[in-house]
Amino acid sequence: GESVGLHLPTLSVQEGDNSIINCAYSNSASDYFIWYKQESGKGPQFIIDIRSNMDKRQGQRVTVLLNKTVKHLSLQIAATQPGDSAVYFCAEKYVGDYKLSFGAGTTVTVRA
Amino acid sequence: DSGVTQTPKHLITATGQRVTLRCSPRSGDLSVYWYQQSLDQGLQFLIQYYNGEERAKGNILERFSAQQFPDLHSELNLSSLELGDSALYFCASSAGGGTGELFFGEGSRLTVL
Repeated sequence: GESVGLHLPTLSVQEGDNSIINCAYSNSASDYFIWYKQESGKGPQFIIDIRSNMDKRQGQRVTVLLNKTVKHLSLQIAATQPGDSAVYFCAEKYVGDYKLSFGAGTTVTVRA
Repeated sequence: DSGVTQTPKHLITATGQRVTLRCSPRSGDLSVYWYQQSLDQGLQFLIQYYNGEERAKGNILERFSAQQFPDLHSELNLSSLELGDSALYFCASSAGGGTGELFFGEGSRLTVL
């Protein structure tokens, strides 16, 4: 079936560098996308979201880019910090649907 | 703190048993979602309730059932438990019917021995 997937299961990044986490989605009917961060032993926490009528949205140290042509979503984290170490999930919502469908996640490890 | 409360946090039980997981959504949120997260897996959608009514169903086993009560809290019932049911079960809530952000609880970790 259709699903949201991430390009890489793991990402190691040097503290202070920028991180880019990628996500490919296959359902062109999705109208809402969201990134979550899950720290060990905790529930997923909202990072940033974007609707399909936008191609970029910025938050505090984070930027989400949406490329509908190639069905690609990315999360950029500026000046990565040790506290950014976590599993990152992208999720999508199909038009007319009510739930979020999650990808498998990317584990980000920040090196000191 | 997301405002979503799940109990119990940890639960260990034996195969064949039945357990109930409880979720209290954020104040004012009408929708409750249940997700299952197995080891090293993503979040699999199980079921959604909106204001007491079932709204959407995912890959929920027939051995599992849920309900949302008039006070909007929800319970997920898991019966005839198998080893493979060991997982983290997350509850999430949202204000409306699913057009925006979901707020997740800390999860209930179920271990079936």
